[in-house]
Amino acid sequence: KAGVTQTPRYLIKTRGQQVTLSCSPISGHRSVSWYQQTPGQGLQFLFEYFSETQRNKGNFPGRFSGRQFSNSRSEMNVSTLELGDSALYLCASSIGQYNEQFFGPGTRLTVL
Amino acid sequence: DAKTTQPPSMDCAEGRAANLPCNHSTISGNEYVYWYRQIHSQGPQYIIHGLKNNETNEMASLIITEDRKSSTLILPHATLRDTAVYYCIVRVARSGGGADGLTFGKGTHLIIQP
Repeated sequence: KAGVTQTPRYLIKTRGQQVTLSCSPISGHRSVSWYQQTPGQGLQFLFEYFSETQRNKGNFPGRFSGRQFSNSRSEMNVSTLELGDSALYLCASSIGQYNEQFFGPGTRLTVL
Repeated sequence: DAKTTQPPSMDCAEGRAANLPCNHSTISGNEYVYWYRQIHSQGPQYIIHGLKNNETNEMASLIITEDRKSSTLILPHATLRDTAVYYCIVRVARSGGGADGLTFGKGTHLIIQP
């Protein structure tokens, strides 16, 4: 069974731009969660989607948003990029909301 | 979700068992103990989880104390590829809506020595 895939793997943007990251969960998984990892803050939860609905959200500004499609694929968007948004963005999928999560390789975003 | 305490780093000789401790003294009755690891620059990898009883899978064993206030992850025969940051996470398991994300602490950096 194919794992979680994330595209693109690497991205360079400039301040003020916006970016969209994509995540394809493991087949049959309906829950998708997004995390941000930085050297200073570690791994932090962004939000979780289940059945196309955002079920929970971490402590991030409204510039961070996401959505989930009917095939469980998910996208997250960051608008008005700031230098501090440079991070590894990780997507994780699980069969249900409280099952073990399987992570993708991440998208490394660099904001210049 | 309850907080966890782990040593920041540990060494283990290749071929020996690696025993990683985790303290979760404020764990609630409906919280599971999960272990993940992250090899440098990769996404975290699920290892194992448990509620009360000891658990074993192809990767590791999880030993949870009777009072559930601490646990130990055991990698029976550590290899160089097991060098990673290991995260112990406690998480409530309930049905219905409102899934909280995993709360990652700083974890334990396990270094397997040749």
